Amino acid sequence: QVQLQESGPGLVKPSQTLSLTCTVSGGSISSGDYYWSWIRQPPGKGLEWIGYIYYSGSTYYNPSLKSRVTISVDTSKNQFSLKLSSVTAADTAVYYCARVPLGYCSSTSCYAFDYWGQGTLVTVSS
Amino acid sequence: NFMLTQPHSVSESPGKTVTISCTRSSGSIASNYVQWYQQRPGSSPTTVIYEDNQRPSGVPDRFSGSIDSSSNSASLTISGLKTEDEADYYCQSYDSSNPVVFGGGTKLTVL
Repeated sequence: QVQLQESGPGLVKPSQTLSLTCTVSGGSISSGDYYWSWIRQPPGKGLEWIGYIYYSGSTYYNPSLKSRVTISVDTSKNQFSLKLSSVTAADTAVYYCARVPLGYCSSTSCYAFDYWGQGTLVTVSS
Repeated sequence: NFMLTQPHSVSESPGKTVTISCTRSSGSIASNYVQWYQQRPGSSPTTVIYEDNQRPSGVPDRFSGSIDSSSNSASLTISGLKTEDEADYYCQSYDSSNPVVFGGGTKLTVL
């Protein structure tokens, strides 16, 4: 059974860069059978997709966040990471990592998440 | 960019049937698959419907999905409601410019 676990600082100062890592166990990122994604949820609000990455390093980002987001992958550690720059209080959220099977990818989207991490709360505050 | 609009909340009694709608603002609802996720309080989302009307293994057949091109909307129907169905439900779809779009979510209360 695959498991995804987010890790990283729970508190980030405004204007700094938020950095999180998702460690995958029970399966290999290098298998090439999945895309790996970040999704966030502000407290009491809905879900917002941030982006996803393939094991080869190909990335796709939410157009509204693209200028501030970098997602990378480290296949040797079976991890993928998120960096979000110039954060403000509006970036305070629970950040989830999730998996999308390649079979649920069209020519323009990988659209169905099958496993999610438990999420980690990141607060942006001075 | 398109939006997916859901009712903020719905409520129904145990044993009854409830339907949650998800209306697409532009572009055809039938052109891109719709997924539905259930999020219980304090938990991560889980998939209850994918590709418009497919149920993952382990999801009871009380959950069903459909699309209606005439109203450009998707629906999640839960029959035989149980108290454990009380949760937030999110629809999700995409298009060529927006790989993943979530609806705002619907809070289901089972009275």
